[in-house]
Amino acid sequence: SQQGEEDPQALSIQEGENATMNCSYKTSINNLQWYRQNSGRGLVHLILIRSNEREKHSGRLRVTLDTSKKSSSLLITASRAADTASYFCARWDSNYQLIWGAGTKLIIKP
Amino acid sequence: DGGITQSPKYLFRKEGQNVTLSCEQNLNHDAMYWYRQDPGQGLRLIYYSQIVNDFQKGDIAEGYSVSREKKESFPLTVTSAQKNPTAFYLCASSNSYSYEQYFGPGTRLTVT
Repeated sequence: SQQGEEDPQALSIQEGENATMNCSYKTSINNLQWYRQNSGRGLVHLILIRSNEREKHSGRLRVTLDTSKKSSSLLITASRAADTASYFCARWDSNYQLIWGAGTKLIIKP
Repeated sequence: DGGITQSPKYLFRKEGQNVTLSCEQNLNHDAMYWYRQDPGQGLRLIYYSQIVNDFQKGDIAEGYSVSREKKESFPLTVTSAQKNPTAFYLCASSNSYSYEQYFGPGTRLTVT
């Protein structure tokens, strides 16, 4: 079941610009994760933010969480060609399963 | 190197044949998962296993079967009962005490 929704579905920006992707969910969470998937590859874990955290940084990544709005955002600053990928948010449900959104496809133009 | 391996990377089968996808991990993780991904979509859970000799159905288990005889191995069989088996299949594992999942490189199955 896919109860997370990312938007936009696709995003194309110039290298060096910032990219923002959003994720919404419907039920309460303990934490929310972001993953990256390069074309035709497996997923790589980027960052986890817990429900009691509002913001978290990892290198050029910044994740925010607003539990009142049931939404999270992923900001990639100073984008590079290598950031071209699909980005997914995921949260655990009560059955210990990860629920995935449909992802945002990010294209960085040189 | 520690990680998850899936083989083969590409697999082609005729309709009506069963096919088994391999997934092996040397991370000493207790839990393992199989996902299906269709073009432009997120991941859907097929089966998962939290311990050896035990596994549970995910959202789309019909037409699939798994086994977990060893901690490091979690093969997935796509049976002829699966109506639309052509897809990208991803295996993942996680530590019981971590929320993060580690993924293999995937197997792209094409059934004609």
